[in-house]
This record gives sequence, structure tokens and C-alpha cells, in this order.
Amino acid sequence: NAGVTQTPKFQVLKTGQSMTLQCAQDMNHNSMYWYRQDPGMGLRLIYYSASEGTTDKGEVPNGYNVSRLNKREFSLRLESAAPSQTSVYFCASSEEAGFGSPLHFGNGTRLTVT
Amino acid sequence: SQKIEQNSEALNIQEGKTATLTCNYTNYSPAYLQWYRQDPGRGPVFLLLIRENEKEKRKERLKVTFDTTLKQSLFHITASQPADSATYLCALDKTGGSYIPTFGRGTSLIVHP
Repeated sequence: NAGVTQTPKFQVLKTGQSMTLQCAQDMNHNSMYWYRQDPGMGLRLIYYSASEGTTDKGEVPNGYNVSRLNKREFSLRLESAAPSQTSVYFCASSEEAGFGSPLHFGNGTRLTVT
Repeated sequence: SQKIEQNSEALNIQEGKTATLTCNYTNYSPAYLQWYRQDPGRGPVFLLLIRENEKEKRKERLKVTFDTTLKQSLFHITASQPADSATYLCALDKTGGSYIPTFGRGTSLIVHP
């Protein structure tokens, strides 16, 4: 039982390059999330998908797009990377969105944009 | 403005003592509050959930209190061990329970042998 799997674990991009962060969960959860974590800022929600077929913006969506490919997979795309997007990105899943449903996190993708 | 405040300074304690971490919030009316543990280089791991109508919740050596009047949650680890050293995050919803949880910045706990 892998839980939440994120790929890649590390990535270095040049300004303006694009990339997609992949996330998959094997817990049959309905809801999935993308957070970024920066020193001194804590975890901030980028986008989430409450259920398959829906996506919604979080606190810091600018510069990102998401796709809920199916119930298991939720990807995050950076179309034109900027140094301000250097961060650690966490994918998470839960049985439902809100209502105290615990989040299960992957171990993150460490992204550096130069 | 809405704020979730956790002590940014690390908490250093001796093994065997009780560690107490604080989560204060303003301009939220959360229906629930969660605590997570995060180890370096890893994602947060869920520990405990407490709802607004619950004063206290326990799980093994962990105890959480929730005071909606003071707008504060306390997280206690009794008989602390060096393996408890980590960053602890609180998370809560805005109001009513239907919102995705918002996280505090976390407090680092260091337990010295």
C-alpha cells in the first residue's frame, strides 16, 4: 500500500521552462490537493479536486494548472516556471474535502527554478 | 485578517517531560482542528482530529485540547522521547466544517536525551 506517490522527487528548471508534477493515490480517496511549502510561510493550498471531474483554486493558484486525470491521479503543471515557484510541492488526498477528513500526504517534490 | 499562530521558536525539552505546543487562531470559527507531524524531507502525517464540541481528545501519549472561547488548541506529548522530535502543524477550517483545512506554520520540537 503506497499511499500517495509523487514524481519526480527533485527537479531543477530554468526560468520559462514548463513541467508537470505527477501524483497518484491508491486509497480510493475522492479528494486530492496540491500544496506548496516555503520556509516561514507554511503549507499553502494551490489547487484541489473535491471529486473526480472537479477542480478548484486554493490560496495561491497563479502560475499553475491542474488536471484530475481520474480518481487516482492529480497533476500540477507549471507552464512557464519562475524563480518564485522554487518550493517544495506536496500532493495530498482525503476521503472527502473538508469536514475534518484527514489529509494523507506524499513526500514532496523539491523544485528549484533558476 | 485571519491568522493561525504557532510558536516559530523551537521547543527544547528533556526526555521524559511533557511537551506542550500551542495553536492560536483569530477570525476563524472552525468546526474542527487537526494536528500533523512532519519530519525533515517528508510530508506531514495526520495525528489527531478534535471537533468544536469536544474539549479534549487522547491517543496514546498524545492529548489535544480545543478551547473555542480562547481560540486556542494545546497539543501535549507526555513522556516525550527523542523520536518525538519533529515539526508539529495545526490545521483548521474557516467555519462550519466544510472548508479545506488551512495550516499553521508549525512548531519544531526537539527532545534531548
